[in-house]
Amino acid sequence: QTVVTQEPSLTVSPGGTVTLTCASSTGAVTSAFYANWFQQKPGQAPRALIYSTSNKHSWTPARFSGSLLGGKAALTVSGVQPEDEAEYYCLLYDGAAQRGVFGEGTKLTVL
Amino acid sequence: DVQLVQSGAEVKKPGESLKISCKGSGYSFTNYWIGWVRQMPGKGLEWMGIIYPGDSESTFSPSFQGQVTMSADKSISTAYLQWSSLKASDTAIYYCARFPSIIDYRSPLFDYWGQGTLVTVFS
Repeated sequence: QTVVTQEPSLTVSPGGTVTLTCASSTGAVTSAFYANWFQQKPGQAPRALIYSTSNKHSWTPARFSGSLLGGKAALTVSGVQPEDEAEYYCLLYDGAAQRGVFGEGTKLTVL
Repeated sequence: DVQLVQSGAEVKKPGESLKISCKGSGYSFTNYWIGWVRQMPGKGLEWMGIIYPGDSESTFSPSFQGQVTMSADKSISTAYLQWSSLKASDTAIYYCARFPSIIDYRSPLFDYWGQGTLVTVFS
């Protein structure tokens, strides 16, 4: 079964920029994986941030952006705010199997 | 506003059965699938499966096939997740989320989420 790998943890200073990545054990992540990104804060349900690699939801702050980088899906946060401290999950979709696989999550600390 | 409202927390014993629910509102319930996601204590998100309320077609992740049942009642815009015999390892928060019926670059996967149902199984 596909394994989706993310950095376990990252630390960034307020106002800084950080990039989180999402890799697939099957090979390079392309637009066909329709990568989605979610933010989850303690005690809350996940919140959708990015879909189809780089599209933002109406509620997604402008400082969040998605892309493909070196064969991985990437989430970049520019001008990090203290409230961005959270767990971030990517989701890659396998159309042939009609199912998705979540990454293991990245704990982002703002210090 | 789109909303998914899940049933309340449950405390069960091993071997007992359970059915939790997820009621959609603010959109056409049969225009989307409903997905179920597990989060075990202190762990990450796991894709369980998706169900189409229109005809109850469903697909499961291999890890969950045969372990749970998904169903839906489109007349009351509600999807269900059911266990026939719970185990302690089923202790987790279960989320439902909206999933598109057509997957393309315009389609967010799991754009709206329920608040989660905590299921605790212990003897």
